[in-house]
Amino acid sequence: GQQLNQSPQSMFIQEGEDVSMNCTSSSIFNTWLWYKQEPGEGPVLLIALYKAGELTSNGRLTAQFGITRKDSFLNISASIPSDVGIYFCAGQLVGNKLVFGAGTILRVKS
Amino acid sequence: GAVVSQHPSRVICKSGTSVKIECRSLDFQATTMFWYRQFPKQSLMLMATSNEGSKATYEQGVEKDKFLINHASLTLSTLTVTSAHPEDSSFYICSASTPGAGYTEAFFGQGTRLTVV
Repeated sequence: GQQLNQSPQSMFIQEGEDVSMNCTSSSIFNTWLWYKQEPGEGPVLLIALYKAGELTSNGRLTAQFGITRKDSFLNISASIPSDVGIYFCAGQLVGNKLVFGAGTILRVKS
Repeated sequence: GAVVSQHPSRVICKSGTSVKIECRSLDFQATTMFWYRQFPKQSLMLMATSNEGSKATYEQGVEKDKFLINHASLTLSTLTVTSAHPEDSSFYICSASTPGAGYTEAFFGQGTRLTVV
């Protein structure tokens, strides 16, 4: 089945630094999504990407959908302590099913 | 965004008993709900797709007789873990989508932590 390869697995950064994480897939997705999950909670949608090459921002977050529709990156600028959590990429399949990446654990040192 | 409520948030049960988890869309009608399972420090794995008024569609490797799903109304889906065993201990998360063509956002519940002792 489809798989998303997400990297890095974890990051421990200094407050104020920029963060970058990415996902790649062997399959094409029509929609690519980035979620954040905090401990004991469900995922919360951060950014949704619909078009190949699309670059979308949400505050300090920026994400791009690769031209081939097989990859995406998420950048967080000027990280703050509340950015801590697990970030997941997800590709949407027919019927609104989602395939998730393995997640990137982000820790911020203040 | 729309609100999806999951209940209970935590449950501890004895081995061999059954546990029911509810997923409710509070302010919209969800024709489709999804159930995911997440092990510690791992990703969400889709277990089944629940469609209102019809049988759920299970992913490969998920036992339908073990994980009973009922989607009796447009705002409620339930997952029952039958004859639970310690290996069923996990974080179960539901999501609900609004109907429509093309991309529709999936809203997630807050999850249920199941511990089987």
